[in-house]
Formats: sequence, structure tokens, C-alpha cells
Amino acid sequence: DVKVTQSSRYLVKRTGEKVFLECVQDMDHENMFWYRQDPGLGLRLIYFSYDVKMKEKGDIPEGYSVSREKKERFSLILESASTNQTSMYLCASRGTSIYEQFFGPGTRLTVL
Amino acid sequence: AQTVTQSQPEMSVQEAETVTLSCTYDTSESNYYLFWYKQPPSRQMILVIRQEAYKQQNATENRFSVNFQKAAKSFSLKISDSQLGDTAMYFCAFMKHYVLDHTGTASKLTFGTGTRLQVTL
Repeated sequence: DVKVTQSSRYLVKRTGEKVFLECVQDMDHENMFWYRQDPGLGLRLIYFSYDVKMKEKGDIPEGYSVSREKKERFSLILESASTNQTSMYLCASRGTSIYEQFFGPGTRLTVL
Repeated sequence: AQTVTQSQPEMSVQEAETVTLSCTYDTSESNYYLFWYKQPPSRQMILVIRQEAYKQQNATENRFSVNFQKAAKSFSLKISDSQLGDTAMYFCAFMKHYVLDHTGTASKLTFGTGTRLQVTL
């Protein structure tokens, strides 16, 4: 089975802190994605990566950056966390099959 | 840009009954894919069912089936014989491919806002 893991289930940070959210997948998938999920807004794509060191902006990239140095790992970085970045963050990966994205359990980030 | 609309924020159904979740989308594309994802209270999102736009036949996966109306841009999910384990958030999603500046193609999902389904005894 495909497994997508995220470094933390719950995270509390202070405004202005630099925050790293880590995602690891174990199925050699080329594509990886970061979403944020907010009530009433569904999932919105922040960034995605289709190969090592390659990245593309999603629909809401402002205030975020990403890093993909190894194929299995995709990091989301909040350079200076703000309260409006309090949210659930979901990572996903997808292989050569175009049909399915596999999701991690999510990280609930609270910025105080 | 594509948009996906789920007009039912919450729904409730009794165990063993049938329920239909609505989804409409807006696109000018002719070739695309549609999905229903389920997110149980434990938060791990899983794929329920998919539909290729070029296929006229509606997809079916056990108790889950879709009603795909391409002209109407409608993609509803029917859950038959509802079970307590079907309690979850359900997201409709749209996907298409696009070219990445000569480096290949990529695809991304656009999600609706979700429908919270509660299955009761």
C-alpha cells in the first residue's frame, strides 16, 4: 500500500516563526502536492512538484515556499507564519497513474 | 479556470437508505476526469470513485455509483445501502492535464467545498 506520512499531526507556532511541514511518500511517486483545507473552502492547492527540484505554484502560493531535494520528500515552508495560515495542511502524492492521489493524514497548524 | 460546486454543505441519511450528493463543475475542456474523495473523521482522504469524461457509462464501485451528465456538467454520487462507516466529508474533484512550458505535462485537482454526510441508526 502507498503510504504518505506527515511529520506532525498537530503543530502550534507563534507569529513570525519559520515553519517546516514535512511529507514523505514511499512509492517512488513523481508528483507531490501541498493543500490547505479550511471549513467551507474545501482543499486549495498551494504548491506541487512533478520531479526532484521542480515546483509549480498552485492556486494560493502566497506566503509559502516548497523544497523537493529528494524524490520521496516534499517540504512546505512558511517563511514567517501568520495567524491567517492557521489551517489543516494535507500532503498528497501521485505516480504515473493519472487516476489517484494518495493523501497523508494532515497537519493541523495553529499560529498564535 | 475550473470551478467545482457542491451545494449541499451537510446531509443526513439513515442506515441502509440511499443518498445522493450533488456536484456541478464549470470547464471549457472536453477531456478531463472527475473524482469523489471521502474524508472520514480520522482525516485520511481516500478515493471513492472516478469518471473519465470521454466515457459515457457511469462508473460504479460496489455501493457507490455516479450520475455523470456531461452536457449539464453534473457529477452526482449515489451511496446505496448506507453504512455507519460512510459518515465522512465527501469532496468532488476535477482534473485535467496541462503543458508545463516544454518540460512535460502535469495535472492538478480542483476540489469542491465538500458535503458532510452523517449516517444515522
